[in-house]
Amino acid sequence: AQKITQTQPGMFVQEKEAVTLDCTYDTSDPSYGLFWYKQPSSGEMIFLIYQGSYDQQNATEGRYSLNFQKARKSANLVISASQLGDSAMYFCAMREGDLSGAGSYQLTFGKGTKLSVIP
Amino acid sequence: DAGVIQSPRHEVTEMGQEVTLRCKPISGHNSLFWYRQTMMRGLELLIYFNNNVPIDDSGMPEDRFSAKMPNASFSTLKIQPSEPRDSAVYFCASTLGGRRTIYEQYFGPGTRLTVT
Repeated sequence: AQKITQTQPGMFVQEKEAVTLDCTYDTSDPSYGLFWYKQPSSGEMIFLIYQGSYDQQNATEGRYSLNFQKARKSANLVISASQLGDSAMYFCAMREGDLSGAGSYQLTFGKGTKLSVIP
Repeated sequence: DAGVIQSPRHEVTEMGQEVTLRCKPISGHNSLFWYRQTMMRGLELLIYFNNNVPIDDSGMPEDRFSAKMPNASFSTLKIQPSEPRDSAVYFCASTLGGRRTIYEQYFGPGTRLTVT
């Protein structure tokens, strides 16, 4: 089974509108972290936002917020007030395991969602 | 501050040749990761190091691939001999371990490898 599932290969959003990118995850570990990365056409991977499994509140970073529903094992990224520069691939990723171990730094990535912002 | 540095940015080589990709992690980071990205398979972890020691190389495709980290500021990924199916973008990433709870990975710009 895939650990990270992003069911939307591509999404379109009108400029200035909000958009939600879906991510579901699969783990039996009670300790884990969820990440979102942006990859513009230039190719670099940019870290956007993080949610820990024990965090009580949904993470927010500027126009990015994470809709974390633990029981449903989903960690959707919400981008508010979309801008043309938001057009990119977006990847959801997960880190599992106890933070004290060396193996806990590994990330597993989803296949990504290509977001296109329409003027 | 300098980010993760990778060289070369682009590499075109012929099948059978040896290819060496280089990475300099962010200063002070003690974990380093090598990924490969293709359209078909997405982003795959090849190998990662913690404090210069390889922790998990189960993602390395086959014996033609090898990685080293001789010191905290340098790592190489070598493919010998290269094959057309090795064509991909290879990313290096680093993170700061220790008693933190985020461990976000910072990626280099990638090396686009084309094997003809």
